[in-house]
Amino acid sequence: QQKVQQSPESLTVSEGAMASLNCTFSDGTSNNFRWYRQHSAKGLEVLVSIFSDGEKEEGRFTAHLNRANLHVSLHIREPQPSDSAVYLCAVNTNAYKVIFGKGTHLHVLP
Amino acid sequence: DTTVKQNPRYKLARVGKPVNLICSQTMNHDTMYWYQKKPNQAPKLLLFYYDKILNREADTFEKFQSSRPNNSFCSLYIGSAGLEYSAMYLCASSSGTGGSDYTFGSGTRLLVI
Repeated sequence: QQKVQQSPESLTVSEGAMASLNCTFSDGTSNNFRWYRQHSAKGLEVLVSIFSDGEKEEGRFTAHLNRANLHVSLHIREPQPSDSAVYLCAVNTNAYKVIFGKGTHLHVLP
Repeated sequence: DTTVKQNPRYKLARVGKPVNLICSQTMNHDTMYWYQKKPNQAPKLLLFYYDKILNREADTFEKFQSSRPNNSFCSLYIGSAGLEYSAMYLCASSSGTGGSDYTFGSGTRLLVI
């Protein structure tokens, strides 16, 4: 079964410094990857969806996918304190099921 | 309107009492999902409806029920809440097979006391 692992568990960056989050998965046949974030006690907000190897940019958020290396990353340009949240990596494992990582807690210091 | 709506936002329940959570979507998605999210844990799929067919995960089979009286509406039912049910419950929907339009609701935070 697809396993999704995220690192680091927690990341603290200063406002304006690039934040980089990592996600590894065990099954490279998946073709549907997403990054979500969850602010405290709120629902999931989709940030970037990526379906093929390479790069996908959505505003300040850029995802990089390398299925050969079983790796997808998220880079946040010029993070702000309001970006402090839990960031979740999600991988479609089959027709219906999405497997999530446990998340990275991002803290952006003003 | 491309949103999934969940009610209520917050729910307080007593141990042993039933709980019913509601989700709706107006995107005509044929699949609706329920996830459970606890702090510092990955969201966990509980069950999903593809059209009128309910699929429940093996390890939560007996703990949760659901109904989908029409395409737009799906509920999650807990017959007898326990403390371990305290969590955020997230509803999602998608067209076809978990496609690019997978959309989550804002969630219902359930606290069982």
